[in-house]
Amino acid sequence: EPEVTQTPSHQVTQMGQEVILRCVPISNHLYFYWYRQILGQKVEFLVSFYNNEISEKSEIFDDQFSVERPDGSNFTLKIRSTKLEDSAMYFCASSVNTDTQYFGPGTRLTVL
Amino acid sequence: GESVGLHLPTLSVQEGDNSIINCAYSNSASDYFIWYKQESGKGPQFIIDIRSNMDKRQGQRVTVLLNKTVKHLSLQIAATQPGDSAVYFCAENSPYGGATNKLIFGTGTLLAVQP
Repeated sequence: EPEVTQTPSHQVTQMGQEVILRCVPISNHLYFYWYRQILGQKVEFLVSFYNNEISEKSEIFDDQFSVERPDGSNFTLKIRSTKLEDSAMYFCASSVNTDTQYFGPGTRLTVL
Repeated sequence: GESVGLHLPTLSVQEGDNSIINCAYSNSASDYFIWYKQESGKGPQFIIDIRSNMDKRQGQRVTVLLNKTVKHLSLQIAATQPGDSAVYFCAENSPYGGATNKLIFGTGTLLAVQP
C-alpha cells in the first residue's frame, strides 16, 4: 500500500540554523500539506500546496518557513533560522483530492 | 523535567468491550470529517470518514456518528483490542474557498485498553 515517507526521522539542530525536512507524497496525489505537533499538543496546520503554489498558510507559517516541490516526487519544508519553539513533530500529508489526507510518520525536530 | 501540554481526556476500557470516543467540532460550514488514530511516535493514521450529508457510516469494527445540530462527532469501536490503544483525533475539513482544504484537529482522546 502506498505511503507518505519522510526524512529524516529525527533532526537535531542549533538555534539559528536552517533545516530542510523532506517528504515523498503518495505518487498520484496532487495536494500536499505540512502540519506540526508540539509535544503533548494537537496537530496544527501549517501550509497546503497545490498546482505548484501555496494554497493556504496558517499564522505559524511566517517568513522563516518555505515549501518547495523541487521535482516530481519530493516536497520539502525549510525553516530558515530555527528557534527553540520550532521543536516539534512535523508531519507531511498528501491527498488525491481535497478529501482524505494521508500522513507520513513525521520528523522530530529538536532545536537546541 | 516538567512536561507542558494539554491534558488528554482518557478512556479506559476492558478488552472486548465497546468504546465510544466523542468530539465536538467548531465550524458549522465544515463538510467532511475524519477520525485518525495516532500511536506513540507515529503519524496520524486514517480510520474512517464521513460527509456532512450523512449521519452514520460504518467500517470494519468502527462506526462514526455525526450530529450536525450540536456539532458533535463520535467514534464507536466494537470489541476493543489492545492494539486499539492510541490517541484518537477527530478532524474537520474546513473549506475556505481556496483550492485545498485544511484539517482542524481536535484535542484528542487517549484510549487505554486493559487486557
